[in-house]
Amino acid sequence: DIQMTQSPSSLSASVGDRVTITCRASQGISNYLAWFQQKPGKAPKSLIYATSRLQSGVPSRFSGSGSGTEFTLTISSLQPEDFATYYCQQYNSYPYTFGQGTELEIK
Amino acid sequence: EVQLVESGGGLVKPGGSLRLSCAASGFIFSNAWMNWVRQAPGKGLEWVGRVKSKTDGGTTDYAAPVKGRFTISRDDSKNTLDLQMNSLKSEDTAVYYCTRDPSSGDWGQGTLVTVSS
Repeated sequence: DIQMTQSPSSLSASVGDRVTITCRASQGISNYLAWFQQKPGKAPKSLIYATSRLQSGVPSRFSGSGSGTEFTLTISSLQPEDFATYYCQQYNSYPYTFGQGTELEIK
Repeated sequence: EVQLVESGGGLVKPGGSLRLSCAASGFIFSNAWMNWVRQAPGKGLEWVGRVKSKTDGGTTDYAAPVKGRFTISRDDSKNTLDLQMNSLKSEDTAVYYCTRDPSSGDWGQGTLVTVSS
């Protein structure tokens, strides 16, 4: 199975900050990498698929990059509604696997 | 508007069975590869399994912890996705989400399954 490791596990930041979350795969996954945002008590929301493609309606302050085994999610200027938990997921091979999550908190 | 609405969750005893359903609308269900994902209380996301579209073979794949106990099926005439869960264990306690393939990004609101005596 492909293991997905996110870093950091938690992050404190302020409104307006630029933040980056990293996701590393234990083996190459081409560009089959998605990012999700989840707020407490809510279903996850898809932000990005195929490493860098934004889902419809997702603000342009979110961006994704990477290839092979290392990927990043960047939020260029944090907004109050961005404080949440973020997950990456590889869908290159079965079983699809998620990272353990990154909790983004207000500083 | 795409909608995925799960139902069927509840309290079940260890060793018991439960069947979850997901009603889909707003897209061509028969063309979609569909997944189940779960989240135990206070934990991260865990992929459960997937069924391909019938035109792509209709095959299923499962995560190791549920293989042999859970079965995913689809009814394209009713636009529904099912998850039959047998031999349930306490560690199957979770919110279960129905999702489209990751490129589409659609998720249901989830249904809670509690396995407890």
